[in-house]
Amino acid sequence: SQQGEEDPQALSIQEGENATMNCSYKTSINNLQWYRQNSGRGLVHLILIRSNEREKHSGRLRVTLDTSKKSSSLLITASRAADTASYFCATGGETSGSRLTFGEGTQLTVNP
Amino acid sequence: DGGITQSPKYLFRKEGQNVTLSCEQNLNHDAMYWYRQDPGQGLRLIYYSQIVNDFQKGDIAEGYSVSREKKESFPLTVTSAQKNPTAFYLCASSIMVTGPGYTFGSGTRLTVV
Repeated sequence: SQQGEEDPQALSIQEGENATMNCSYKTSINNLQWYRQNSGRGLVHLILIRSNEREKHSGRLRVTLDTSKKSSSLLITASRAADTASYFCATGGETSGSRLTFGEGTQLTVNP
Repeated sequence: DGGITQSPKYLFRKEGQNVTLSCEQNLNHDAMYWYRQDPGQGLRLIYYSQIVNDFQKGDIAEGYSVSREKKESFPLTVTSAQKNPTAFYLCASSIMVTGPGYTFGSGTRLTVV
Protein backbone atom coordinates (compact mmCIF):
# COMPACT_ATOMS: atom_id res chain seq x y z
CA SER A 1 0.00 0.00 0.00
CA GLN A 2 1.26 3.49 -0.82
CA GLN A 3 1.39 5.79 2.18
CA GLY A 4 2.98 8.91 0.74
CA GLU A 5 1.49 10.92 -2.08
CA GLU A 6 3.63 13.46 -3.87
CA ASP A 7 2.34 16.62 -5.42
CA PRO A 8 2.71 17.71 -8.15
CA GLN A 9 3.18 14.59 -10.26
CA ALA A 10 5.35 16.59 -12.64
CA LEU A 11 7.14 19.92 -12.39
CA SER A 12 9.04 21.81 -15.07
CA ILE A 13 11.15 24.87 -14.22
CA GLN A 14 14.05 26.91 -15.55
CA GLU A 15 17.60 26.64 -14.23
CA GLY A 16 18.14 28.91 -11.27
CA GLU A 17 14.54 28.72 -10.09
CA ASN A 18 13.49 26.99 -6.90
CA ALA A 19 11.56 23.71 -7.00
CA THR A 20 9.08 22.70 -4.33
CA MET A 21 7.61 19.24 -4.02
CA ASN A 22 5.08 18.13 -1.45
CA CYS A 23 4.33 14.83 0.22
CA SER A 24 1.27 13.87 2.24
CA TYR A 25 0.87 10.72 4.27
CA LYS A 26 -1.88 9.02 6.21
CA THR A 27 -0.62 7.34 9.38
CA SER A 28 1.72 8.34 12.20
CA ILE A 29 5.39 8.14 11.35
CA ASN A 30 8.73 8.21 13.12
CA ASN A 31 10.62 9.62 10.17
CA LEU A 32 10.18 10.78 6.60
CA GLN A 33 12.82 10.48 3.91
CA TRP A 34 13.34 11.90 0.45
CA TYR A 35 15.01 10.01 -2.38
CA ARG A 36 16.05 10.92 -5.90
CA GLN A 37 15.97 8.65 -8.95
CA ASN A 38 17.63 9.44 -12.24
CA SER A 39 16.00 7.81 -15.24
CA GLY A 40 16.64 4.06 -15.33
CA ARG A 41 18.72 4.06 -12.16
CA GLY A 42 18.32 3.16 -8.51
CA LEU A 43 17.16 5.57 -5.83
CA VAL A 44 19.58 7.71 -3.86
CA HIS A 45 18.85 8.76 -0.29
CA LEU A 46 18.82 12.56 0.03
CA ILE A 47 17.67 13.48 3.51
CA LEU A 48 15.83 12.14 6.56
CA ILE A 49 13.71 14.16 8.93
CA ARG A 50 12.46 12.72 12.21
CA SER A 51 8.96 13.23 13.52
CA ASN A 52 10.19 15.57 16.28
CA GLU A 53 11.96 17.83 13.76
CA ARG A 54 10.29 20.60 11.76
CA GLU A 55 12.98 21.58 9.30
CA LYS A 56 16.24 20.22 8.00
CA HIS A 57 18.82 21.47 5.52
CA SER A 58 21.41 19.73 3.37
CA GLY A 59 23.24 21.86 0.82
CA ARG A 60 20.60 23.23 -1.58
CA LEU A 61 17.90 21.01 -0.07
CA ARG A 62 15.45 22.13 2.57
CA VAL A 63 12.88 19.74 4.01
CA THR A 64 10.00 20.67 6.27
CA LEU A 65 7.70 18.39 8.18
CA ASP A 66 4.29 19.23 9.62
CA THR A 67 3.05 16.22 11.57
CA SER A 68 -0.25 17.93 12.42
CA LYS A 69 -1.04 18.14 8.70
CA LYS A 70 0.75 14.90 7.89
CA SER A 71 2.74 16.60 5.17
CA SER A 72 6.29 17.38 4.13
CA SER A 73 7.89 19.54 1.49
CA LEU A 74 11.21 19.34 -0.31
CA LEU A 75 12.66 22.59 -1.61
CA ILE A 76 15.57 22.59 -4.04
CA THR A 77 17.05 26.06 -4.34
CA ALA A 78 18.86 27.46 -7.38
CA SER A 79 18.05 24.38 -9.43
CA ARG A 80 20.39 23.01 -12.07
CA ALA A 81 19.77 20.89 -15.15
CA ALA A 82 21.48 18.03 -13.29
CA ASP A 83 18.65 18.11 -10.72
CA THR A 84 16.32 16.65 -13.35
CA ALA A 85 15.06 13.40 -11.81
CA SER A 86 12.14 11.83 -9.99
CA TYR A 87 11.85 12.59 -6.30
CA PHE A 88 10.15 10.22 -3.87
CA CYS A 89 9.14 10.60 -0.28
CA ALA A 90 9.17 7.56 1.98
CA THR A 91 7.70 7.19 5.42
CA GLY A 92 8.78 4.97 8.29
CA GLY A 93 6.07 3.87 10.64
CA GLU A 94 6.04 4.19 14.37
CA THR A 95 5.91 0.51 15.14
CA SER A 96 9.10 -1.45 15.59
CA GLY A 97 10.11 -3.27 12.45
CA SER A 98 8.01 -1.06 10.23
CA ARG A 99 9.65 -0.75 6.85
CA LEU A 100 9.57 2.29 4.56
CA THR A 101 6.63 2.96 2.27
CA PHE A 102 7.31 4.99 -0.88
CA GLY A 103 5.09 7.46 -2.68
CA GLU A 104 4.67 7.61 -6.45
CA GLY A 105 7.09 10.46 -6.98
CA THR A 106 7.37 13.88 -8.58
CA GLN A 107 9.10 14.11 -11.95
CA LEU A 108 11.20 17.28 -11.94
CA THR A 109 12.54 18.70 -15.18
CA VAL A 110 14.98 21.60 -15.00
CA ASN A 111 15.39 23.31 -18.35
CA PRO A 112 18.77 24.89 -19.14
CA ASP B 1 33.81 0.58 -2.15
CA GLY B 2 30.76 -0.55 -0.23
CA GLY B 3 27.61 -0.90 -2.17
CA ILE B 4 24.84 -3.03 -3.53
CA THR B 5 25.14 -4.82 -6.86
CA GLN B 6 22.30 -6.07 -9.01
CA SER B 7 22.75 -8.31 -11.99
CA PRO B 8 22.02 -8.59 -14.78
CA LYS B 9 21.16 -5.05 -15.84
CA TYR B 10 18.79 -6.34 -18.54
CA LEU B 11 17.00 -9.68 -18.59
CA PHE B 12 14.64 -11.24 -21.07
CA ARG B 13 12.23 -13.96 -20.09
CA LYS B 14 10.21 -16.28 -22.26
CA GLU B 15 6.65 -17.15 -21.36
CA GLY B 16 6.51 -19.90 -18.73
CA GLN B 17 10.12 -19.50 -17.68
CA ASN B 18 11.49 -18.81 -14.22
CA VAL B 19 14.28 -16.27 -13.94
CA THR B 20 16.45 -15.22 -11.00
CA LEU B 21 17.67 -11.71 -10.31
CA SER B 22 20.81 -11.33 -8.25
CA CYS B 23 21.36 -8.83 -5.43
CA GLU B 24 24.59 -8.68 -3.42
CA GLN B 25 25.65 -6.13 -0.80
CA ASN B 26 28.91 -5.61 1.07
CA LEU B 27 27.58 -3.00 3.47
CA ASN B 28 27.05 -5.46 6.33
CA HIS B 29 23.37 -4.50 6.34
CA ASP B 30 20.92 -6.81 8.07
CA ALA B 31 17.83 -5.85 6.08
CA MET B 32 17.31 -6.31 2.35
CA TYR B 33 14.36 -5.58 0.06
CA TRP B 34 13.00 -6.17 -3.41
CA TYR B 35 10.83 -3.56 -5.11
CA ARG B 36 9.05 -3.51 -8.42
CA GLN B 37 8.66 -0.27 -10.38
CA ASP B 38 6.39 0.09 -13.38
CA PRO B 39 6.79 3.02 -15.83
CA GLY B 40 5.93 6.34 -14.23
CA GLN B 41 4.99 4.63 -10.98
CA GLY B 42 6.31 4.43 -7.46
CA LEU B 43 7.91 1.45 -5.79
CA ARG B 44 5.93 -1.56 -4.65
CA LEU B 45 7.46 -3.92 -2.13
CA ILE B 46 7.72 -7.56 -3.18
CA TYR B 47 9.64 -9.19 -0.32
CA TYR B 48 11.94 -8.11 2.46
CA SER B 49 14.28 -9.80 4.87
CA GLN B 50 15.34 -8.55 8.27
CA ILE B 51 17.88 -11.26 8.96
CA VAL B 52 19.47 -14.33 7.41
CA ASN B 53 17.10 -17.26 6.83
CA ASP B 54 14.06 -15.09 7.38
CA PHE B 55 11.92 -13.07 4.97
CA GLN B 56 8.43 -11.61 4.76
CA LYS B 57 6.00 -10.96 1.95
CA GLY B 58 5.47 -7.40 0.86
CA ASP B 59 2.48 -5.96 -0.93
CA ILE B 60 2.84 -7.86 -4.22
CA ALA B 61 4.57 -11.17 -3.41
CA GLU B 62 2.43 -13.42 -5.62
CA GLY B 63 4.46 -15.00 -8.41
CA TYR B 64 7.79 -14.23 -6.76
CA SER B 65 10.09 -16.12 -4.40
CA VAL B 66 13.23 -15.22 -2.46
CA SER B 67 15.90 -16.77 -0.28
CA ARG B 68 18.30 -15.33 2.28
CA GLU B 69 20.96 -17.96 2.93
CA LYS B 70 23.74 -15.41 3.36
CA LYS B 71 23.70 -11.92 4.83
CA GLU B 72 25.19 -10.50 1.64
CA SER B 73 22.79 -12.05 -0.84
CA PHE B 74 19.05 -11.80 -1.47
CA PRO B 75 18.13 -13.29 -4.89
CA LEU B 76 14.65 -12.85 -6.34
CA THR B 77 13.05 -15.48 -8.57
CA VAL B 78 10.29 -14.38 -10.88
CA THR B 79 8.24 -17.49 -11.48
CA SER B 80 5.96 -18.42 -14.35
CA ALA B 81 3.05 -17.70 -12.01
CA GLN B 82 3.81 -13.98 -12.31
CA LYS B 83 1.62 -13.05 -15.25
CA ASN B 84 2.90 -9.56 -15.88
CA PRO B 85 6.58 -9.58 -14.93
CA THR B 86 7.83 -6.86 -17.29
CA ALA B 87 9.10 -4.13 -14.96
CA PHE B 88 12.13 -2.51 -13.39
CA TYR B 89 13.27 -4.38 -10.27
CA LEU B 90 15.17 -2.65 -7.52
CA CYS B 91 17.02 -4.23 -4.62
CA ALA B 92 17.84 -2.23 -1.49
CA SER B 93 19.44 -2.75 1.89
CA SER B 94 19.55 -0.95 5.22
CA ILE B 95 21.15 -1.40 8.62
CA MET B 96 17.75 -2.45 9.90
CA VAL B 97 14.18 -2.42 8.65
CA THR B 98 13.44 0.94 10.21
CA GLY B 99 16.31 2.48 8.30
CA PRO B 100 17.62 5.02 8.75
CA GLY B 101 18.19 5.20 5.01
CA TYR B 102 18.01 2.59 2.29
CA THR B 103 20.83 1.98 -0.19
CA PHE B 104 19.62 0.93 -3.62
CA GLY B 105 21.18 -1.06 -6.40
CA SER B 106 21.05 0.19 -9.98
CA GLY B 107 18.20 -2.10 -10.96
CA THR B 108 17.37 -4.93 -13.36
CA ARG B 109 15.02 -4.34 -16.25
CA LEU B 110 13.06 -7.52 -16.98
CA THR B 111 11.19 -7.93 -20.23
CA VAL B 112 8.98 -10.81 -21.29
CA VAL B 113 9.52 -11.82 -24.91
